[in-house]
Amino acid sequence: AQTVTQSQPEMSVQEAETVTLSCTYDTSESNYYLFWYKQPPSRQMILVIRQEAYKQQNATENRFSVNFQKAAKSFSLKISDSQLGDTAMYFCAFATSASYGQNFVFGPGTRLSVLP
Amino acid sequence: GAVVSQHPSWVICKSGTSVKIECRSLDFQATTMFWYRQFPKQSLMLMATSNEGSKATYEQGVEKDKFLINHASLTLSTLTVTSAHPEDSSFYICSASPGRINSPLHFGNGTRLTVT
Repeated sequence: AQTVTQSQPEMSVQEAETVTLSCTYDTSESNYYLFWYKQPPSRQMILVIRQEAYKQQNATENRFSVNFQKAAKSFSLKISDSQLGDTAMYFCAFATSASYGQNFVFGPGTRLSVLP
Repeated sequence: GAVVSQHPSWVICKSGTSVKIECRSLDFQATTMFWYRQFPKQSLMLMATSNEGSKATYEQGVEKDKFLINHASLTLSTLTVTSAHPEDSSFYICSASPGRINSPLHFGNGTRLTVT
């Protein structure tokens, strides 16, 4: 079974600074997908960034980038130039490609507060 | 981008009554939809996988007779909480995927259910 761990229940960062959220996972699959979702106070789940395991290049989406270490099964999210609107719960998620969506596993989440 | 509509966004009902929550994929067909439950300050817990034209697959510990799922078309899945009790009060979120191998899950806005 796949598991996703986020070891930081809460984090805070000053506006305009950079913060890194940690995520580790456990799987025996060789091909899979990793995601970071953001859940602001509105409770809407918003896709931040995704990474295919077979791609060595780290995904980047504007101010958001990941550090994907496949051997270490680590998938951290870096937020640069943090903005007040980045305040939210962040969930790391894992999905296998063999049965896409069927094994979509979420981590426990990290609550990020961006301070003015 | 892909949009999933969930209705209602919030509902209050009396104990013993039933409540239906709808989840629609607005611009894509979703063979499979997923229903999650989220307790305050916790992660999403998968309740069941809704398959168009067949019975839903429930996760261990989820009561099939209490949480009825119907996936009548490729764009609509419904979750009915039957004979609701206060302990069923929670935030329910649906999600759907277009099914392509590199497509992420798209989430509805969620439904906050309060049973009095």
